[in-house]
Amino acid sequence: EVQLVESGGGLVQPGGSLRLSCAASGFTFSSYEMNWVRQAPGKGLEWVSYISSSGSTKNYADSVKGRFTISRDNAKNSLYLQMNSLRAEDTAFYYCASDHGGVIDYWGQGTLVTVSS
Amino acid sequence: EIVLTQSPATLSVSPGERATLSCRAGQSVSSNLAWYQQKPGQAPRLLIYAASTRATGIPARFSGSGSGTEFTLTISSLQSEDFAVYYCQQYNNWPRTFGQGTKVEIK
Repeated sequence: EVQLVESGGGLVQPGGSLRLSCAASGFTFSSYEMNWVRQAPGKGLEWVSYISSSGSTKNYADSVKGRFTISRDNAKNSLYLQMNSLRAEDTAFYYCASDHGGVIDYWGQGTLVTVSS
Repeated sequence: EIVLTQSPATLSVSPGERATLSCRAGQSVSSNLAWYQQKPGQAPRLLIYAASTRATGIPARFSGSGSGTEFTLTISSLQSEDFAVYYCQQYNNWPRTFGQGTKVEIK
């Protein structure tokens, strides 16, 4: 069974940093592309970032480019999102999600990031 | 960026009735469109990909159609567990984008 478990969310002040992690199991993680997708409370879905299976290709939404960095450790079956210079508008549930040719097929349960003073 | 516009924003349907949801793309996305279902407090779940292919385990009452800029998700006979928010998403171009969602509620 595919499992994606996010961690690392919490309350952070504007301008602060946070690192999200996603532990993957139940599939060959090193063969899968991965994404982070976020959802502000009560709002719709917003794609944030993508990383290829090897980690050599990364893409970001314009709203986070230059502030967020996606990475992965295939030996640890883990995906990460380093978030710097956080803003109030980054407040959201952050989902780790696997990618199959662009289709986001499996999702974690999400971790909540709250940016507030 | 490709904008996806879903309509209607809210659809009120009685159990057993048919529901038809629309997703319109600002430019062609070929057939590179997926549909997701999200229930309160849960993560989204993949329903349809490649515009019309049901994901593993998705009941046959869910069907997708369309290509280019016009897409439709049809739920043939709504069950109680189908009342949720539905999102379309394109993966033809970067950045990947989602529609704003259609809420299917009990009439």
